[in-house]
Amino acid sequence: GEDVEQSLFLSVREGDSSVINCTYTDSSSTYLYWYKQEPGAGLQLLTYIFSNMDMKQDQRLTVLLNKKDKHLSLRIADTQTGDSAIYFCAESPQYGKLTFGQGTILTVHP
Amino acid sequence: GAVVSQHPSWVICKSGTSVKIECRSLDFQATTMFWYRQFPKQSLMLMATSNEGSKATYEQGVEKDKFLINHASLTLSTLTVTSAHPEDSSFYICSAADRVAKNIQYFGAGTRLSVL
Repeated sequence: GEDVEQSLFLSVREGDSSVINCTYTDSSSTYLYWYKQEPGAGLQLLTYIFSNMDMKQDQRLTVLLNKKDKHLSLRIADTQTGDSAIYFCAESPQYGKLTFGQGTILTVHP
Repeated sequence: GAVVSQHPSWVICKSGTSVKIECRSLDFQATTMFWYRQFPKQSLMLMATSNEGSKATYEQGVEKDKFLINHASLTLSTLTVTSAHPEDSSFYICSAADRVAKNIQYFGAGTRLSVL
């Protein structure tokens, strides 16, 4: 079945860049997503990328996709303390069911 | 942006009672809504997929008689936890897929259920 893996923790200093990595196994993945979850809250869609794209940039966020290696990354430039949260990578074959990674806890130190 | 409202945000109930959680898409129509369960410090586990006007599709291991799902309109789905027990205590999150942009799921803020 589908599997999505993420590293569990990332700690960075305020102002540095953060890179969160994700690998997936389903070669039929059509869409790949990054969601952010703050404590006690639901998930906020940060960005998504279609599988025929290599990169997508949106303000401080850059998503890189290596389809050959089934590797997805999220880079947050100029990381702020407000970026501290859990970041989930997810994939979907087309419409519907999302398969999530375990989530990466990002901690930003002043 | 698209908003999904989930209500209540927190509920405490006695063992044996039933609890209903509502999920509404406020500014878009959602033919499909999803219900997830999240345990502390864990990822989201899909419980069921709900399509407007039809029966929900449950994931393996999820008891459909325990977790009743109704998707009565294009903007509302409800999850009822029947005869709740302490092991049902969890964080329940719904999402709604835009009828037009079907690949995008927007999430509610979640409901924390505590069963005493």
